This record gives sequence, C-alpha cells and structure tokens, in this order.
Amino acid sequence: ELKVEQNPLFLSMQEGKNYTIYCNYSTTSDRLYWYRQDPGKSLESLFVLLSNGAVKQEGRLMASLDTKARLSTLHITAAVHDLSATYFCAPVLSNNDMRFGAGTRLTVKP
Amino acid sequence: NAGVMQNPRHLVRRRGQEARLRCSPMKGHSHVYWYRQLPEEGLKFMVYLQKENIIDESGMPKERFSAEFPKEGPSILRIQQVVRGDSAAYFCASSPLSEALSPGANVLTFGAGSRLTVL
Repeated sequence: ELKVEQNPLFLSMQEGKNYTIYCNYSTTSDRLYWYRQDPGKSLESLFVLLSNGAVKQEGRLMASLDTKARLSTLHITAAVHDLSATYFCAPVLSNNDMRFGAGTRLTVKP
Repeated sequence: NAGVMQNPRHLVRRRGQEARLRCSPMKGHSHVYWYRQLPEEGLKFMVYLQKENIIDESGMPKERFSAEFPKEGPSILRIQQVVRGDSAAYFCASSPLSEALSPGANVLTFGAGSRLTVL
C-alpha cells in the first residue's frame, strides 16, 4: 500500500524567508499533484507534475518531482502571509487513484 | 458548471442514527472519490468509484460504511449507526477521465465538504 509522508507537518516561518516542504512516497508513481487548503475550506489544485524531473512554478511556489527517489518538493520563496495554508501532496497510483499526505500546515508571520 | 456539489454541508446526528452524504460530480466527470478529514488532520482516502462500480474501497471501514455511485443521481456515502468518532469533514472529489487515458487530467475537483457532528 502506498504511504505518503510529508515533512514538516507544521511550519512557521517569517515573511521573506525561503523554505522547502518534502513529500516522500513508498511505491512507484510517475505523477504527483500538490493541493492547497485554507482553514475550513475545500482543496484547490496547485500543480500537476507528470514526469521525472518535472518542475513547475507559480508565483512564489515551485514544485519538483524525482520519481527515482520517490520525492517531490514544494519550495517557497520569499514567503508572504497569503501563503499561510495547509499544503498536500498526492501521488497517483498505478490504478489511477490518488493518496494524500497528511499535509503541511504553513503559517507565515510578519 | 456548478462544480462538485455536496450536501448537506453540515449534518448533526445522535449516536446510533444514520448519516447520508451526497455528492454530485462536475458535469462530465465520471470518477468520484471520498475522503475523510478529522479535525486538525490530513485527508484519508476512503473510496474511489466510477458509475455503478466501486474501483477501490481499501480506505473504507469494514463495518457501517458504504458508498455507491448509481447510473443516475449523486454518489452517496452512507454511515450507519454513527459513533462520535465518525465526526469529521467528508470531502468528495471528481475527475473527468481515467488518469491512464489522459495523464495530468486527473486533477481532482473538490466539493466544499460535508461536516458531520455526532452528539
């Protein structure tokens, strides 16, 4: 069974700083999604990474995928308060469904 | 396109009652997923369905929980004889195509969730 581990689970950072969230998964998967959830809200798709070495950037967020290492990263550059949310990674299984990590709750402080 | 519609948004039940949560996928989406989110925790996969078929129910508790996605009408997650531990937000998501047929098209669109409180 696929296990998805995100770390850190909780992240408090200052505005303007950089940080990386890691997502490790335990079985073969060549596609992975990142989602964002604001408190009390539903999930919003951020990135889809379709192949080994894929890199996607949107504003201050950049996601990458290394399928050989079974690792995806979400890098935050010069954090701002609006990025405070919970971020989930979700690799796609061979039977085409997804599993989510436990989420990383990010708080950006002024 | 109204998006993924879940109802009720909030449901209160007493222990031992039944809870029925409904999910209408986006128009044109034939794949439905149910996830449970306990307070302050991540999403836990429950079940993945296509029309009239359960594809993967490995995340569903063996007892009291069932799901269906009939040919007509919404997908329904049914919890019988609810207990306090069932209190959670239940999210439904839908996607248009098999991931295998269209890689990258499997971006799940989530509903707003149904928040179940068991007294």
